[in-house]
Amino acid sequence: GAVVSQHPSWVICKSGTSVKIECRSLDFQATTMFWYRQFPKQSLMLMATSNEGSKATYEQGVEKDKFLINHASLTLSTLTVTSAHPEDSSFYICSASPGLAGFTDTQYFGPGTRLTVL
Amino acid sequence: SQQGEEDPQALSIQEGENATMNCSYKTSINNLQWYRQNSGRGLVHLILIRSNEREKHSGRLRVTLDTSKKSSSLLITASRAADTASYFCATKTSYDKVIFGPGTSLSVIP
Repeated sequence: GAVVSQHPSWVICKSGTSVKIECRSLDFQATTMFWYRQFPKQSLMLMATSNEGSKATYEQGVEKDKFLINHASLTLSTLTVTSAHPEDSSFYICSASPGLAGFTDTQYFGPGTRLTVL
Repeated sequence: SQQGEEDPQALSIQEGENATMNCSYKTSINNLQWYRQNSGRGLVHLILIRSNEREKHSGRLRVTLDTSKKSSSLLITASRAADTASYFCATKTSYDKVIFGPGTSLSVIP
């Protein structure tokens, strides 16, 4: 099946620093990628949807200046948490779909990145 | 925003028993999917059922969908200890978003 990787798998950083998380589709071209955040013992919350070559669409309540998303190629999307604070500590999961907008039935999830901000 | 809601929130059963989890949602959907997540890990896609389907099987999994009641159920038959995980339903709307429910934590006791 299709494989999506994330890097790093975990990261610890100091408050105020920025952290970049990569999401790669390894064996298919991902027209659409999604970023989710999951707090302990909670469900996944969709943060944003990104389409290759265009600006990401953020969900209500998600600060686009704080969570920068770049989907510059069909196999790579990055999420940068800028000026991270302890409340940003969470499990960040990406998913990728080979479909165009409106045809994204199949999503393949990455293994997640655990961010801890001290 | 959350769309699906699962119940029960937690379920504990003996190995070999069947486990049933339910999911309810609020708006019209294109499809509904069930995922499994082991503690601290990524998601594993289990099964997708489209809005025009009523029932689907995959191995020990059986999923039903009732669009009139806006609900779905996931049945795991002959459960195993390895089935211990959190299970999430996720609904896809016409706007292409996949919205996850809060999940059911399943514990299968050997």
